Amino acid sequence: DIQMTQSPASLSASLGETVTIECRASEDIYNGLAWYQQKPGKSPQLLIYNANSLHTGVPSRFSGSGSGTQYSLKINSLQSEDVASYFCQQYYNYPNTFGAGTKLELK
Amino acid sequence: EVQLVESGGGLVQPGRSLKLSCVASGFTFSNYGMNWIRQAPGKGLEWVAYISSGSSYIYYAETVKGRFTISRDNAKNTLYLQMTSLRSEDTALYYCARRVAPDYWGQGVMVTVSS
Repeated sequence: DIQMTQSPASLSASLGETVTIECRASEDIYNGLAWYQQKPGKSPQLLIYNANSLHTGVPSRFSGSGSGTQYSLKINSLQSEDVASYFCQQYYNYPNTFGAGTKLELK
Repeated sequence: EVQLVESGGGLVQPGRSLKLSCVASGFTFSNYGMNWIRQAPGKGLEWVAYISSGSSYIYYAETVKGRFTISRDNAKNTLYLQMTSLRSEDTALYYCARRVAPDYWGQGVMVTVSS
């Protein structure tokens, strides 16, 4: 199985700041990677698919990049509504696997 | 509007069975692969199973293989998860989700395995 190592586990940032979350796959996943945002008590929401494609309706301050085994999610100009947990998922191979998550809080 | 509505959860004793359903609306269900994904209380996401649009391809997580069965009825726009030999570690909120990189998720249904 492909292991997804996500970092950091938690992150505290100020409004307007740029934050970056990273995921490392245990083998090449050929851009088969998605990022999700989950707010407390809510279902996850797709942000990015195919490593760098923005899902419909997602604000442009979210972006994804990477290739091979290293991927990142960047949030520009952090807003209060971005406080949430973020998860990466590889879907290049089965079983699909998720990163452990990053909890983003406001400083 | 795409909607996925799960049902069938509840409290069940270890070793017993339970069947979850997910009714889809707002899109052509038969055109999309579907997933079950679960989240234990206070924990991260765990992918459980996937079924392709025509049921030709089915995949399971190792933790549920041999105990869970994913299926679908395209005429009823419904996805199922038959769970047998349930264990305490299966306690979680179970989501159905559309597509390989899930773009729509249901609200989830809670399954609690406890004596």
